[in-house]
Amino acid sequence: GQQLNQSPQSMFIQEGEDVSMNCTSSSIFNTWLWYKQEPGEGPVLLIALYKAGELTSNGRLTAQFGITRKDSFLNISASIPSDVGIYFCAGQLRGTSYGKLTFGQGTILTVHP
Amino acid sequence: ETGVTQSPTHLIKTRGQQVTLRCSSQSGHNTVSWYQQALGQGPQFIFQYYREEENGRGNFPPRFSGLQFPNYSSELNVNALELDDSALYLCASSLSDRRETQYFGPGTRLLVL
Repeated sequence: GQQLNQSPQSMFIQEGEDVSMNCTSSSIFNTWLWYKQEPGEGPVLLIALYKAGELTSNGRLTAQFGITRKDSFLNISASIPSDVGIYFCAGQLRGTSYGKLTFGQGTILTVHP
Repeated sequence: ETGVTQSPTHLIKTRGQQVTLRCSSQSGHNTVSWYQQALGQGPQFIFQYYREEENGRGNFPPRFSGLQFPNYSSELNVNALELDDSALYLCASSLSDRRETQYFGPGTRLLVL
């Protein structure tokens, strides 16, 4: 099946540092979404992107829909301890008429105070 | 606004048994999707329901089936449980004109012994 390659797999950073993670694929996507999942919880939607080149912010989070439509990145500025969790990218493939999302493997973020 | 709710939170079954998981969609959302998330992996799409019909399915066998009710709530049924069915089962709801923008519930943790 289609795969999303998400990197890095894990990150260990100090509080206050900026974070960058990305997602790439060999296929074209119509929509990119970024989710955060904490232990014992379901994924929480952070940002949704619908157009190539779109750049969207949500507080300290910024995400972009790549112009090739095959990639997306998420940046977190000035990280804080509550940013800890697993971040997933997800996308809807071009040509899919219903909302099937393909997920990446996740980036585990650890923030040291 | 009420978010997505799922029941039960945890479940233990034995191989060969059948299980039913339940989901109530977020207020105003008429589309429900189900995902399976194995430990350490991203969620995998099972199927989506809209207008009480399945309108998209991932790579899961027919023993995974579902229902959607007039109030948009949904059930996931799994027959002839196998050990590999042990996972977190996530329900997500969305609007029909934005089926890919999905909001997840907390999940049901299923353990098959």
